[in-house]
Amino acid sequence: NAGVTQTPKFQVLKTGQSMTLQCAQDMNHNSMYWYRQDPGMGLRLIYYSASEGTTDKGEVPNGYNVSRLNKREFSLRLESAAPSQTSVYFCASRGQSPMTNEQFFGPGTRLTVL
Amino acid sequence: QQPVQSPQAVILREGEDAVINCSSSKALYSVHWYRQKHGEAPVFLMILLKGGEQKGHDKISASFNEKKQQSSLYLTASQLSYSGTYFCGTGDRAGTYKYIFGTGTRLKVLA
Repeated sequence: NAGVTQTPKFQVLKTGQSMTLQCAQDMNHNSMYWYRQDPGMGLRLIYYSASEGTTDKGEVPNGYNVSRLNKREFSLRLESAAPSQTSVYFCASRGQSPMTNEQFFGPGTRLTVL
Repeated sequence: QQPVQSPQAVILREGEDAVINCSSSKALYSVHWYRQKHGEAPVFLMILLKGGEQKGHDKISASFNEKKQQSSLYLTASQLSYSGTYFCGTGDRAGTYKYIFGTGTRLKVLA
């Protein structure tokens, strides 16, 4: 079991460029999440998907789009990157019950926007 | 709004105790606690679902006061391995998938 995997691990973009962050889990989890982590701000929820075919906004969705491609994969897209989106991005997944199961996090993607 | 954690940072000597608090401006139904080592992903510690329930994980335990909308994490006889940043994640109702994380508490344990 690989758990939650994310690609790429590092990325440098120029302002205005677009890119997609990929996330996949092999634990047959229903729900998946995207967070960003900035110094002093903790983890902030960008988007989440309770199940295949559904997505919902989190705390900081502006500037991002997501796709729940299938049960395994949940991608995050930056259409026009801005320096304010420089951050570490974590993907996570959770099992069947949202109230009792832990979130498993991927290793993160370190994104720098110049 | 993000739950507020206090203190923001704490330094301990091995064997000392610490308490980390997590306070929300919204009513809470559940609280998760996670620890993140530098450069790594957060790792789950425990979840609390009921008001006043206390749980333990080795020498780390937590309480949840639903009425006060806060949770506390207790680290006793701290070890070097406890160093890291601790986050609370809060859910405001049963069945929610939307968890909001706190601002984090950096804890460093010195030998």
